[in-house]
Parts: sequence; C-alpha cells; structure tokens
Amino acid sequence: DVKVTQSSRYLVKRTGEKVFLECVQDMDHENMFWYRQDPGLGLRLIYFSYDVKMKEKGDIPEGYSVSREKKERFSLILESASTNQTSMYLCASSLPKGYEQYFGPGTRLTVT
Amino acid sequence: AQKITQTQPGMFVQEKEAVTLDCTYDTSDQSYGLFWYKQPSSGEMIFLIYQGSYDEQNATEGRYSLNFQKARKSANLVISASQLGDSAMYFCAMSAFGNEKLTFGTGTRLTIIP
Repeated sequence: DVKVTQSSRYLVKRTGEKVFLECVQDMDHENMFWYRQDPGLGLRLIYFSYDVKMKEKGDIPEGYSVSREKKERFSLILESASTNQTSMYLCASSLPKGYEQYFGPGTRLTVT
Repeated sequence: AQKITQTQPGMFVQEKEAVTLDCTYDTSDQSYGLFWYKQPSSGEMIFLIYQGSYDEQNATEGRYSLNFQKARKSANLVISASQLGDSAMYFCAMSAFGNEKLTFGTGTRLTIIP
C-alpha cells in the first residue's frame, strides 16, 4: 500500500513565524504535490515537484516555497506565516504522466 | 484551462439507496482523465475511480461506477446500495493526459441517513 505521511495533524503558529510542513512517501513516486483545502474552494495546488530538486508553481504559490532534497520527502515552507494561510494542507504523490495521486492525512494549520 | 463544476454542495440519501453525484467539466484538451476522490471526516483523500476520455466503457470499481457522457462533458459518480460509511465529501477532478496536475471541483458532502 502507498503510504504518504505528514509531520503533524494539527499545528498552531503565530503570525510572522517560519513554518515547515513535511511530507514523506514510501512508494518511490517521482511526483509530489502540496495543496491547500478551504471550504467552498476545493483543493488548490500550491506547488508540485516532478523530481529531486525540481519544482513547478501551482495555482496559488504566493507566500509559499518548497524543498525536495530527497525523492521521498517534500517540504512546504511558509516564510512568514499570515492569518490568511490558516487552512488544511494536503500532500500527495503519484507516478509520472497523470496517474492517480495518493494523499496524506492532511495538516490543519492555524495561524494566530 | 480546465474547470470542474460540482453543483450539489450537500446531499442526504437513505441507506441502501443508490446515489448520483454530479460532475461537469470544461477543457480544450482532446485527451484527459477524470477522477473521483472520497474524503471522510478523518481528512485523508481516497482515490475511488478513474475514466479516460477515450475509454469506450464506463469505469466501475465495486459499488462505484462513473457515468461518462463525453458529449455533455459530464462524469457523474454513481454509488449503488449506499452505506453509512459512504458519508463523506466527494471530489471530482481531471487532468490532461501527460499532465501531472489535477484540477478539483469544490466537492459534494454526502450524508447517508440510517
């Protein structure tokens, strides 16, 4: 079974803090993704990575950066957290060329 | 650009009845794939079913089937004999063939009533 794990289920941070969300997958997938999910908006892609050290912006990259130093690990970084980044963050991985994505359990981030 | 529309924010269905969740899409791509995901209250997105745009037959996976009508650009999910455990959010999504990115709809919250 594909397993995608995220470092925290719940996280509370203060405005201006630097926040790291970690994601690890164990199926040797080339692709990894970060989404945020907000009520009424569905899932929106922040960044994705198709190989180690390779990344591409999604639909809403502003205020976020990512890092992929190893194939199995994909990190989402909020350089200076703001209250409008309070959301559910979902990580996913997949094989190349449009195969289904496998998701982690999500991190519910609250920025106060 | 791709767009997915799910017009039913919420649905209530009696246990053991069949349910249809609506999904329409818009794309200029000739080849694409359509996906359905389930998100229980635990938060994890679970892949349910996939339909390729050139597949002649509708996809089925156990109690799930995808009613694909290409001319109408619709890809409705049908769940037969609903169970209490089917209560969840359901998302329709699509990607162009060879494209890594998925575009998601806003979801439908399905509640199964005992």
